[in-house]
Amino acid sequence: GAGVSQSPSNKVTEKGKDVELRCDPISGHTALYWYRQSLGQGLEFLIYFQGNSAPDKSGLPSDRFSAERTGGSVSTLTIQRTQQEDSAVYLCASSLDVGRNTIYFGEGSWLTVV
Amino acid sequence: SQQGEEDPQALSIQEGENATMNCSYKTSINNLQWYRQNSGRGLVHLILIRSNEREKHSGRLRVTLDTSKKSSSLLITASRAADTASYFCATPPQGGSEKLVFGKGTKLTVNP
Repeated sequence: GAGVSQSPSNKVTEKGKDVELRCDPISGHTALYWYRQSLGQGLEFLIYFQGNSAPDKSGLPSDRFSAERTGGSVSTLTIQRTQQEDSAVYLCASSLDVGRNTIYFGEGSWLTVV
Repeated sequence: SQQGEEDPQALSIQEGENATMNCSYKTSINNLQWYRQNSGRGLVHLILIRSNEREKHSGRLRVTLDTSKKSSSLLITASRAADTASYFCATPPQGGSEKLVFGKGTKLTVNP
């Protein structure tokens, strides 16, 4: 596609429910990144994919968070048993390759846990 | 720990003035990038400067890089109200993980 597409753009969920956030990267981009940004804060790295594998999952906050990528394209970030502290904007980005190229961001998925 | 840290955290100027934001980082880098974010949504890439470059221009933007001091600056000349946004520097650390690490950003307000 023309840009990185994320869905949903906004999600309100009850505490304890599971949520799935989807990211469609730019076509042909092999690297895909997930970041989290709480209100007024900087970007917190969560995970990145090179193809379908995730060399660095170090930023995932807890075992309630998981992510997968299939076909070297779409990625899903899943948060199980959501907590109020999970409320944030979840930003996805992609790049042609890891580390040495510009990364392009989607508009983010704003998650509110009530 | 943060790789890049922007300074100041917030900056308020009048339209037409220049805005300068600084970024310091800790480890050796291949390149440093500046991004802009409006209203807490997606970031937009502004400019990339490589470790062997000292200065780069793009329109009203001027970026400098001093690898000896591990610092970079972003200058926006003749600012406009539409430049109001948060600005982040980001670096891919050499070695190990290649993830792009962002600072906490500078919130720029340009008053009309």
